[in-house]
Amino acid sequence: DIVMTQSPDSLAVSLGERATINCKSSQSVLYSSNNKNYLAWYQQKPGRPPKLLIYWASTRESGVPDRFSASGSGTDFTLTISSLQAEDVAVYYCQQYYSIPFTFGPGTKVDIK
Amino acid sequence: EVQLLESGGGLVQPGGSLRLSCAASGFTFSNYGMSWVRQAPGKGLEWVSCFSGSGDNTYYADSVKGRFTISRDNSKNTLYLQMNSLRVEDTAIYYCAKGHESVASCYSSLNSWGQGILVTVSS
Repeated sequence: DIVMTQSPDSLAVSLGERATINCKSSQSVLYSSNNKNYLAWYQQKPGRPPKLLIYWASTRESGVPDRFSASGSGTDFTLTISSLQAEDVAVYYCQQYYSIPFTFGPGTKVDIK
Repeated sequence: EVQLLESGGGLVQPGGSLRLSCAASGFTFSNYGMSWVRQAPGKGLEWVSCFSGSGDNTYYADSVKGRFTISRDNSKNTLYLQMNSLRVEDTAIYYCAKGHESVASCYSSLNSWGQGILVTVSS
């Protein structure tokens, strides 16, 4: 199984400041035949289902604010919130959908400082 | 608008069975892979199972293989999860989720989620 790790476990950022979350997979999730990284990012607010933010490692889902961006390839990935807003308080998960079983990272909790 | 509505959850004793349903609307159900993802109380997300949109490809997490069976009825736009031999550690909110890519594969991110249904396994 591909093990997903995230860092940090939690972070507190001032409103308007940048938040950066890292995700690492135990093996590459880059599929060479189509050059796509099978990596997604989700946001989950308390009491709510997860919401897709990013797919193919860096493609923003429709309707997601452009302050959310993501990058990375192979085994190392990053989600950045360029200017943290109050509504961004949530837990953020990365997920690989490269190989079964699809696995999620443990989550990173983002709070306001 | 995509809507996914789970039902069938509740309290069951260890060793018991439940069948979850997920009624889908707002998209061409048969064109998409559909998944179940669960979340134990206060814990992270765990992918459980997926049924592809075409063919009969089904996939399971090791933790449920042999106990859970995923199925779908494209004529009713409904996804199911039959859960047998339930264990205390199966206690979780179970989410139904739709695959993002309209290639019917399970190898896709999940871009629509239901509100979830609670399954509690306890004596």
